[in-house]
Amino acid sequence: QQQVKQSPQSLIVQKGGISIINCAYENTAFDYFPWYQQFPGKGPALLIAIRPDVSEKKEGRFTISFNKSAKQFSLHIMDSQPGDSATYFCAATSGGSNYKLTFGKGTLLTVNP
Amino acid sequence: DGGITQSPKYLFRKEGQNVTLSCEQNLNHDAMYWYRQDPGQGLRLIYYSQIVNDFQKGDIAEGYSVSREKKESFPLTVTSAQKNPTAFYLCASSIPGTAHGYTFGSGTRLTVV
Repeated sequence: QQQVKQSPQSLIVQKGGISIINCAYENTAFDYFPWYQQFPGKGPALLIAIRPDVSEKKEGRFTISFNKSAKQFSLHIMDSQPGDSATYFCAATSGGSNYKLTFGKGTLLTVNP
Repeated sequence: DGGITQSPKYLFRKEGQNVTLSCEQNLNHDAMYWYRQDPGQGLRLIYYSQIVNDFQKGDIAEGYSVSREKKESFPLTVTSAQKNPTAFYLCASSIPGTAHGYTFGSGTRLTVV
């Protein structure tokens, strides 16, 4: 049972464009939604995270939009750069799961120069 | 610098052999985790430990074993019972009771030859 569904599987964007990755979850007990960025051969690194009491969080060029009623959240990368090319994972967790992270399957983002 | 060290970076295993992947952290985190990453599958939880001398199975524990004798160390053994062990293995740690501060190692790529 996949509790966090992520789309698209891959994404190609031109430099300067907006990259949008979407995730949907099923477990209404989830209360923390982080996004991770992973470069080839490296471990994931936390990019940005949100709690369901806010609808949007912005950090630099990265924004999370959260829709609690639809059980969906998305990552927007503004002014995408070739250095943003990586795999992005959404995740979700809650205290009820001992804060174990449940991950989406990932999105391979390629930003063309 | 605090962080997580995984070794070796690359590991080759013959059919029928057990191999052990090392994970050491100096972040003073009580919780540690092992994830398996396959292309297009995201990260799946193998085992996790909230405290020394205690650990629980994750979603795909069959064919794996762990120990947690020290706070800093959480080695993973891939046994011969694991039928498809070729994958990228990631170790992580965090502070119990929170999903903040989840830190990943750089991974070990295991290949069966």
